[in-house]
Amino acid sequence: DTGVSQDPRHKITKRGQNVTFRCDPISEHNRLYWYRQTLGQGPEFLTYFQNEAQLEKSRLLSDRFSAERPKGSFSTLEIQRTEQGDSAMYLCASSLVGGGGTEAFFGQGTRLTVV
Amino acid sequence: DQQVKQNSPSLSVQEGRISILNCDYTNSMFDYFLWYKKYPAEGPTFLISISSIKDKNEDGRFTVFLNKSAKHLSLHIVPSQPGDSAVYFCAASRTTSGTYKYIFGTGTRLKVLA
Repeated sequence: DTGVSQDPRHKITKRGQNVTFRCDPISEHNRLYWYRQTLGQGPEFLTYFQNEAQLEKSRLLSDRFSAERPKGSFSTLEIQRTEQGDSAMYLCASSLVGGGGTEAFFGQGTRLTVV
Repeated sequence: DQQVKQNSPSLSVQEGRISILNCDYTNSMFDYFLWYKKYPAEGPTFLISISSIKDKNEDGRFTVFLNKSAKHLSLHIVPSQPGDSAVYFCAASRTTSGTYKYIFGTGTRLKVLA
């Protein structure tokens, strides 16, 4: 296992279409995060899971966004009826539950362009 | 509201010299802090972290200093190398509240000149 894997790396879609991204975390990691990053900004938190439970969702995550982690392993992020403002890099990260703080490891990201 | 701030969007340093990247935070409940490095078209790479019970953590050329009273942390890179040229993000989290999400700053672009 070499790290967090995201698929696809790039996605170009027409406005109004639905898209789905996949994230495979580091195998023993039980926390999984989704972030979004736009040009000139830091990663913005979207949501996170501990095992299969979605524990927190950002207000940034509108009703058009849904994330799942059905068996506590891989996760999917779906965006319905995409808008041009959804164009961004979508980052997935995973970490291991431990006492105190732990670091999260990021995947390469999925670059979404809505045209 | 921007809870984690990196007020310097860019920094240029000569190879071999020290690079100092700064980060300020507003939420006194943050108790764990991290630095990430990011190259274009890649995800952030974890560099170093520090818990609020410490004021310094070192890992090779990288040292993070935490000043809780000033709500300020800094990353020192000594000596700086051209391969260190990247965007650096600081991040903070509140582990004691059970909220483990990381809040990121807007980043500082470091350029190390050969």
